Amino acid sequence: AQSVTQLGSHVSVSEGALVLLRCNYSSSVPPYLFWYVQYPNQGLQLLLKYTTGATLVKGINGFEAEFKKSETSFHLTKPSAHMSDAAEYFCAVKAGRRALTFGSGTRLQVQP
Amino acid sequence: DAGVIQSPRHEVTEMGQEVTLRCKPISGHNSLFWYRQTMMRGLELLIYFNNNVPIDDSGMPEDRFSAKMPNASFSTLKIQPSEPRDSAVYFCASSDDSRGYEQFFGPGTRLTVL
Repeated sequence: AQSVTQLGSHVSVSEGALVLLRCNYSSSVPPYLFWYVQYPNQGLQLLLKYTTGATLVKGINGFEAEFKKSETSFHLTKPSAHMSDAAEYFCAVKAGRRALTFGSGTRLQVQP
Repeated sequence: DAGVIQSPRHEVTEMGQEVTLRCKPISGHNSLFWYRQTMMRGLELLIYFNNNVPIDDSGMPEDRFSAKMPNASFSTLKIQPSEPRDSAVYFCASSDDSRGYEQFFGPGTRLTVL
């Protein structure tokens, strides 16, 4: 079985502040992990993914995430938030033959 | 590549009418997914196909919903008869499983059932 939990349905940060969006997963086999972003009235687009190898993964727009097997986590971070980062972010896991399982999403608000 | 193409982008219909949503996946991708997104339930996987064969349709809400993939470049999601609670944004996504399972999403179809 596989599942994803995103802690915090809404996160608000100030422009220039650190962004931290939390994701914990459950998987009985080594997982592939993904972060997607959704801007208003658009589909989801991939920010970054972890498959194997280096546990610190860098993505687009300055985002990165670290796979921590011992903590079953894949938190998304960005050192300095920009107004354009305001969007909804989804963590997803794929394990074995199943399709991706998406978390419930975290809406990021960036205050000027 | 043009990405995943969905049509129509918006659909407004009356309760009881048949609705057909269309999707053209990215050329060369072997898996296709239909999702529904609402404020109340978030993003739900309805069905997915691998090599044009339905693999998991456990997310299809009820018999009013059906999906087909007659060939590698086209899929439809049909709702008959439609109900107001079917109002949502429906996304199609495709992936190339030989390249890490990343799903590419279309722009979605916003369905409103009156």
